[in-house]
Amino acid sequence: DSGVTQTPKHLITATGQRVTLRCSPRSGDLSVYWYQQSLDQGLQFLIQYYNGEERAKGNILERFSAQQFPDLHSELNLSSLELGDSALYFCASSVSSGLNNEQFFGPGTRLTVL
Amino acid sequence: AQSVTQPDIHITVSEGASLELRCNYSYGATPYLFWYVQSPGQGLQLLLKYFSGDTLVQGIKGFEAEFKRSQSSFNLRKPSVHWSDAAEYFCAVGAGGTSYGKLTFGQGTILTVHP
Repeated sequence: DSGVTQTPKHLITATGQRVTLRCSPRSGDLSVYWYQQSLDQGLQFLIQYYNGEERAKGNILERFSAQQFPDLHSELNLSSLELGDSALYFCASSVSSGLNNEQFFGPGTRLTVL
Repeated sequence: AQSVTQPDIHITVSEGASLELRCNYSYGATPYLFWYVQSPGQGLQLLLKYFSGDTLVQGIKGFEAEFKRSQSSFNLRKPSVHWSDAAEYFCAVGAGGTSYGKLTFGQGTILTVHP
């Protein structure tokens, strides 16, 4: 158990819908990362937040948005869902913002878009 | 832009045999390199990392990796594989230094261990 929690574990929804994935980082960690793992694209970095502010952005679609709240939990919002958005979404957290800080991964949320 | 190639999609070894998983990276500056393991239904766990210094790094679970700048490689090794090592292994290169932590992953290598 990494100490990072993600809810829900599984999510099944329809095309065109909007969903919210939630992540609680390890106690004391200020940085949160979101990754997408799909069969087509592999494991891709989406976005990083540090202490409530966006720190780095990857291949995140405009239909996707994220935020980190004052209590440091984070949410990833996916809207106008398409079949291709079906994937495993991981959240990770680290103490600080740089690469010298180990990223601890949560168990993931599996999103299925029908 | 950085990239990582793991040439082997699937490797099968017998329990007790040695293991080497290949990783080649492309990155303009001094790379931050990582190996992660993902067991079925689990998140990723860090095995080891290289930032600088000694090019042979030791990790958890008896794994080691060697950074070879001339070959742009960071291969993962284990002298004797256990059945519990069966999993998917990901090599990653990091960008951001001490400012941010963007990881670029390879496609992964699935390891099967025969008894």
